[in-house]
Amino acid sequence: GQQLNQSPQSMFIQEGEDVSMNCTSSSIFNTWLWYKQDPGEGPVLLIALYKAGELTSNGRLTAQFGITRKDSFLNISASIPSDVGIYFCAGYNYGQNFVFGPGTRLSVLP
Amino acid sequence: ETGVTQSPTHLIKTRGQQVTLRCSSQSGHNTVSWYQQALGQGPQFIFQYYREEENGRGNFPPRFSGLQFPNYSSELNVNALELDDSALYLCASSFGADTGELFFGEGSRLTVL
Repeated sequence: GQQLNQSPQSMFIQEGEDVSMNCTSSSIFNTWLWYKQDPGEGPVLLIALYKAGELTSNGRLTAQFGITRKDSFLNISASIPSDVGIYFCAGYNYGQNFVFGPGTRLSVLP
Repeated sequence: ETGVTQSPTHLIKTRGQQVTLRCSSQSGHNTVSWYQQALGQGPQFIFQYYREEENGRGNFPPRFSGLQFPNYSSELNVNALELDDSALYLCASSFGADTGELFFGEGSRLTVL
């Protein structure tokens, strides 16, 4: 079945630093989404991408839909303590189910 | 606007028992999907319900079953519980069966002893 890979698996950064993480797949997706999950809660949608090459921002977050349709990137600028959590990418094709990556765990050190 | 709500939030069962988890979809959403999230992993698709019928199923055995009601709320039933069924069960709602966005509830954490 379809699988997504996320890297890095985990990262520790200093408050104020920028963060980059990515998601890759062996299959093509027509929609890429990024979610954040805090401990004990469900994932929250951050950004949705619908077109290859698309670059979309949501506050300090910027995500890009790779032109090959097999990858996506998420950047967080000027990290703050509340950015701590697990970031999941998800791929979706019309008529199929969502496929989630294993997540990138972000820790922000003061 | 009311978000996705799930109940119960936590529960403990023993092997062989049966469990029912409940979900109310976000206001205006007519499609509900259920996901299983094991510790340290991403959510895995169980099935989706649209217009009270199952509309897609992941790689889960038949002892995982569900229902959707006319008000679009949904239930997930798991029979003959196994230890590996211990996980966070997430419900997600959307408007339409083929929309590109899901909105999740906070989940029901099931522990099977």
